[in-house]
Amino acid sequence: ILNVEQSPQSLHVQEGDSTNFTCSFPSSNFYALHWYRWETAKSPEALFVMTLNGDEKKKGRISATLNTKEGYSYLYIKGSQPEDSATYLCASNAGKSTFGDGTTLTVKP
Amino acid sequence: DSGVTQTPKHLITATGQRVTLRCSPRSGDLSVYWYQQSLDQGLQFLIQYYNGEERAKGNILERFSAQQFPDLHSELNLSSLELGDSALYFCASSASGNQETQYFGPGTRLLVL
Repeated sequence: ILNVEQSPQSLHVQEGDSTNFTCSFPSSNFYALHWYRWETAKSPEALFVMTLNGDEKKKGRISATLNTKEGYSYLYIKGSQPEDSATYLCASNAGKSTFGDGTTLTVKP
Repeated sequence: DSGVTQTPKHLITATGQRVTLRCSPRSGDLSVYWYQQSLDQGLQFLIQYYNGEERAKGNILERFSAQQFPDLHSELNLSSLELGDSALYFCASSASGNQETQYFGPGTRLLVL
């Protein structure tokens, strides 16, 4: 992996469904992995910063895991709500910030 | 409200012109980052300053330059503007380095006609 890649590109789920997305990043020269939530017409809002292999972070219904050896992170949302609809970005910092293109989540009531 | 402010919110200018975008970081933050989001593209990292000095450089064009002042505010200067420079420019700040949360400003939307 040379760049930060996110999958899927978009996701449509029903309210109450749990979901997860993937961020893949170069595992060499790893500093930190950031997750952001970006709502339309707003600016990105930080969710998590993860630095250590095996890190798990949680904020309400949202959690994330990190595997720095294989270069991936998962973001999980439990019991999705319409207000969770947003684009979720991850960024890897190996000296400079490199963002993925994001996963756009739409939660239907 | 992240505590990061950017001015102006919107800017319309013509090709060939020069503009300056301004960013004030959160109180106490030493690092400032600049990002560009063009139409149909993701966030592109331009440059980072830490306590007045350039720390990291991304995909910043030679026509663009930035600086961070002693009071820690930062300016991004865009010159010889082209149509393709139309984009949303975000500034973010963090306490110090790359392992910390970045707080994004509301962005400056630049339209080059």
